[in-house]
Amino acid sequence: NAGVMQNPRHLVRRRGQEARLRCSPMKGHSHVYWYRQLPEEGLKFMVYLQKENIIDESGMPKERFSAEFPKEGPSILRIQQVVRGDSAAYFCASSPGQGARETQYFGPGTRLLVL
Amino acid sequence: AQKITQTQPGMFVQEKEAVTLDCTYDTSDPSYGLFWYKQPSSGEMIFLIYQGSYDQQNATEGRYSLNFQKARKSANLVISASQLGDSAMYFCAMREMGNTGNQFYFGTGTSLTVIP
Repeated sequence: NAGVMQNPRHLVRRRGQEARLRCSPMKGHSHVYWYRQLPEEGLKFMVYLQKENIIDESGMPKERFSAEFPKEGPSILRIQQVVRGDSAAYFCASSPGQGARETQYFGPGTRLLVL
Repeated sequence: AQKITQTQPGMFVQEKEAVTLDCTYDTSDPSYGLFWYKQPSSGEMIFLIYQGSYDQQNATEGRYSLNFQKARKSANLVISASQLGDSAMYFCAMREMGNTGNQFYFGTGTSLTVIP
């Protein structure tokens, strides 16, 4: 049973470009979460999605950031017109359901560097 | 207020000794889960152990155990018989059942170094 997969593992963009980060959840998991980790900090929640629905995007900046989890295919975190402050590690996690007991399993992360 | 507080930015432990990593949390939700993750230098997040707010016994997973003191709102991770491979960042996290977003709240982490 493959774990959560993220690609690319490393992404370099120039200011103003778009970044697309992909996440394939574990088989059987229909809940996907995106987190951002700045250097020397813990992970900060961005968005929670189920198939074709955004459940909670309270942690995502209102501008330039969007996320989707289509019926088919991976979840995508999209950052438009990137700025240097977007440089961070972006982690995707998945779980089979919701509830306090459900463990979230994390992917290896995508390290975004904005030049 | 911070949901999760980890007050030890860095810890050192001698190989084969036990070490306790502190974690306190803040919630008014009676139903919640507490998690510990390990992040080695390679960067991935590895799930270690889980404790539910209604669990009567402290969780244990191999060399990991969770010292859960509900009244004090603490969920310290105990690693017994430390190994060199335990050197990593350790994050405490909480999930509130009443939170419809189901997000995890993470602490700022503790960097553990195991000394040979």
